Amino acid sequence: DIQMTQSPSSLSASVGDRVTITCRTSQTISNCLNWYQQKPGKAPKLLIFGASSLQSGVASRFSGSGSGTDFTFTINSLQPEDFATYYCQQTYSIPRTFGQGTKVEIK
Amino acid sequence: QVQLVESGGGGVQPGGSLRLSCAASGFTFSNYPMHWVRQAPGRGLEWVAVISYDGTNANYADSVKGRFTISRDNSKNTLFLQMNSLRAEDTAVYYCARDPSSSCGFFDLWGRGTLLTVSS
Repeated sequence: DIQMTQSPSSLSASVGDRVTITCRTSQTISNCLNWYQQKPGKAPKLLIFGASSLQSGVASRFSGSGSGTDFTFTINSLQPEDFATYYCQQTYSIPRTFGQGTKVEIK
Repeated sequence: QVQLVESGGGGVQPGGSLRLSCAASGFTFSNYPMHWVRQAPGRGLEWVAVISYDGTNANYADSVKGRFTISRDNSKNTLFLQMNSLRAEDTAVYYCARDPSSSCGFFDLWGRGTLLTVSS
């Protein structure tokens, strides 16, 4: 199975900050890496697919990059509605593993 | 309206069985592979199972292999998860999700989830 190492597990940031989350995989996965946002009591929401493609309807302040084993997710100018937990997911192979999550909290 | 709606969750004793359903609407269900993903209370997301668009192929997480069975009825636009030999560690919210990609894959549509509690 492909192991996912997502960091940090949590962070505190202020509105307007730039936030970066990283995800490292135990083996190369090409660009088969997705990012989701989850708010308490809600289903996850797809933000980025294929490492860097923005899902339709998602704000452009969200972006992703990377290939191979190292990936980055960025929120430019954090907004109040962005405080949530973010997960990376690899879809290169079965099982479709998720990262451990990064909780973005208000500073 | 494009949506997925899970049902069938509830309380069950260890060793028991339950079947979850996921009703799809607003899109051509039979075109898409479908997944189940679960989330234990206060924990992260765990992928559970996938089924091909036509139901001929399925794969499972090691944690549920041999106990859970994913299936679908394309005539009724419904996905199922039959869960047997349930354990306390299966307690979670179970989500169904659609996978529209023909290459790497991603989950672009999720249901709201249904809660399974396994306890004596």
